Amino acid sequence: NAGVTQTPKFQVLKTGQSMTLQCAQDMNHNSMYWYRQDPGMGLRLIYYSASEGTTDKGEVPNGYNVSRLNKREFSLRLESAAPSQTSVYFCASSMAGQGYEQYFGPGTRLTVT
Amino acid sequence: AQSVTQLGSHVSVSEGALVLLRCNYSSSVPPYLFWYVQYPNQGLQLLLKYTSAATLVKGINGFEAEFKKSETSFHLTKPSAHMSDAAEYFCAVSAGGGYQKVTFGIGTKLQVIP
Repeated sequence: NAGVTQTPKFQVLKTGQSMTLQCAQDMNHNSMYWYRQDPGMGLRLIYYSASEGTTDKGEVPNGYNVSRLNKREFSLRLESAAPSQTSVYFCASSMAGQGYEQYFGPGTRLTVT
Repeated sequence: AQSVTQLGSHVSVSEGALVLLRCNYSSSVPPYLFWYVQYPNQGLQLLLKYTSAATLVKGINGFEAEFKKSETSFHLTKPSAHMSDAAEYFCAVSAGGGYQKVTFGIGTKLQVIP
């Protein structure tokens, strides 16, 4: 099993450009998540999908949109990138319900100039 | 509401010394607690988790953590540090809600000095 995969690994954007970060999991998990990681701030939840067909905002959703394409795939879109969105983005997945750990992808390092 | 406080953003220990990384949580309901480790340029991996089965939880790589309700703590320990333990460690809490919302601490970077 590949676990959680993310593409691309690195990306540089100019302010105002758009892009989509892709995430896929092969563990048959119901729930998927997008986080951003910034120095000194830990991980902050951007959006999550508790199950296929549902998405909800997390702690820092502004400037982002998501699509739960099917049970395996959960994409994150930046419509008009800003320098404040320079960060490392992680996708994660888990079984539905309480007490289940999350499995993380390797991350996408995004720089917006 | 739930929150996690990790005391010390950087901790240095000598190789072979005790590792102690501190985590305190706040939760209005019985929590699930996790420790994750992140090696450079990688995603987070689960070290161990507390789900109320036992207060002393053993994880991978010789780490363990003890849930102390009276102190609202879930500190991570390892008796003898190894160079390969150098990484960033995140404490996390999940305490109810319609989905598994997890709140992460800001992380503690562990440096192991030879």
